[in-house]
Amino acid sequence: DGGITQSPKYLFRKEGQNVTLSCEQNLNHDAMYWYRQDPGQGLRLIYYSQIVNDFQKGDIAEGYSVSREKKESFPLTVTSAQKNPTAFYLCASRAVSSGNTIYFGEGSWLTVV
Amino acid sequence: DQQVKQNSPSLSVQEGRISILNCDYTNSMFDYFLWYKKYPAEGPTFLISISSIKDKNEDGRFTVFLNKSAKHLSLHIVPSQPGDSAVYFCAASDGGNKLTFGGGTRVLVKP
Repeated sequence: DGGITQSPKYLFRKEGQNVTLSCEQNLNHDAMYWYRQDPGQGLRLIYYSQIVNDFQKGDIAEGYSVSREKKESFPLTVTSAQKNPTAFYLCASRAVSSGNTIYFGEGSWLTVV
Repeated sequence: DQQVKQNSPSLSVQEGRISILNCDYTNSMFDYFLWYKKYPAEGPTFLISISSIKDKNEDGRFTVFLNKSAKHLSLHIVPSQPGDSAVYFCAASDGGNKLTFGGGTRVLVKP
């Protein structure tokens, strides 16, 4: 099945620890994205990548880091510098050649205690 | 500064009736608009989109209307079904590589 796989679905971490969320896609999409959703709010862009080995900051990049070593993979690290890391994290991807529609994974819940 | 706004946080509608969701935007460079549907603890799924060269796009029970002069778009769901109960996000693109999302509208369809 083609799609976007995020793992883990639920993650608990202690304050001050870094944590990495995985995102893998087998859609052969060029661009990949990380969004964050807080309860009752919309989606805010953290980072995005249009091609391998290149990525750009979104609207709320502080306290996060990413890498894009492979086309299929775009992991997100939530660092201890992120002040309010507890949220629902969504990975998405897009085929640059086929328009502006982006497709999302199932999301990862991160709770920092 | 919110460039895409959904001013109604929630909407309740009777099964079989029409649901109308509204979205306003401020950036005149936006030229492509999308609607997504989201269930709790799941990723959003793409519903329907519209280019700024059109004023209407229809797909089954879903129709999106775009009023460029008013910088306003709406999503009509007819007839509404209980399975339509979800949060709906509108999103806009300026032809670049990212989408800007509204805050969402929670729809409850009552049987």
